[in-house]
Amino acid sequence: EVQLLESGGGLVQPGGSLTVSCAASGFTFSDYAMSWVRQAPGKGLEWVSGISNSGGSTSYADSVKGRFTISRDNSNSFLYLQMHSLRAEDTAMYYCAKDRGNNYQTPRFDPWGQGTLVTVSS
Amino acid sequence: EIVLTQSPGTLSLSPGERATLSCRATQSVSNYFAWYQQKPGQAPRLLIYGASSRATGIPDRFSGSGSGTDFIFTISRLEPEDFAVYYCQQYGSSPPKFGQGTKVEIK
Repeated sequence: EVQLLESGGGLVQPGGSLTVSCAASGFTFSDYAMSWVRQAPGKGLEWVSGISNSGGSTSYADSVKGRFTISRDNSNSFLYLQMHSLRAEDTAMYYCAKDRGNNYQTPRFDPWGQGTLVTVSS
Repeated sequence: EIVLTQSPGTLSLSPGERATLSCRATQSVSNYFAWYQQKPGQAPRLLIYGASSRATGIPDRFSGSGSGTDFIFTISRLEPEDFAVYYCQQYGSSPPKFGQGTKVEIK
């Protein structure tokens, strides 16, 4: 069974930094592109970033470009999202999601983890 | 960027009734289109991809159709567990985008 387990969320001050992680199991992690998708409280879904199966290619939403960095550790089946210069509008549940193939720029998200909550507030 | 508009915003129906949800894209995405279900406190779940293909384990009361810019998602007979928010998503061009969601609520 495919499992994705996010961790690392929490409360951070505006302008601060945080790294969230996703531990993957139940599939050959290095075969699939992965993404981060976020959901602000009571709002809809927003794709944040994607990474190819090898980690050699990445893509970002304009809203986070230059502030967030996606990476992966295929040896240990982990996905990461480093977040810098955080703003109040980055407050959201951050989900890691597996693509059905290797489409890091145009993914279909299946499945999703349960999410980790990031709150940016003073 | 492609924008997706879902309608209606809320659908009030009774168990056993048919639910029909729509999603329109601002430009063609061919059939690179998906539908997700999200229940309160849970992560979204993929139901439909390729506009009309059901994901693994999804019951056949869920179906999707459409191509280009106009897509339809149908639940043939609502079960109590189907009351949730449904999102459409295009993956025909980057960045992938979601619609704003349709809430299917119990009437």
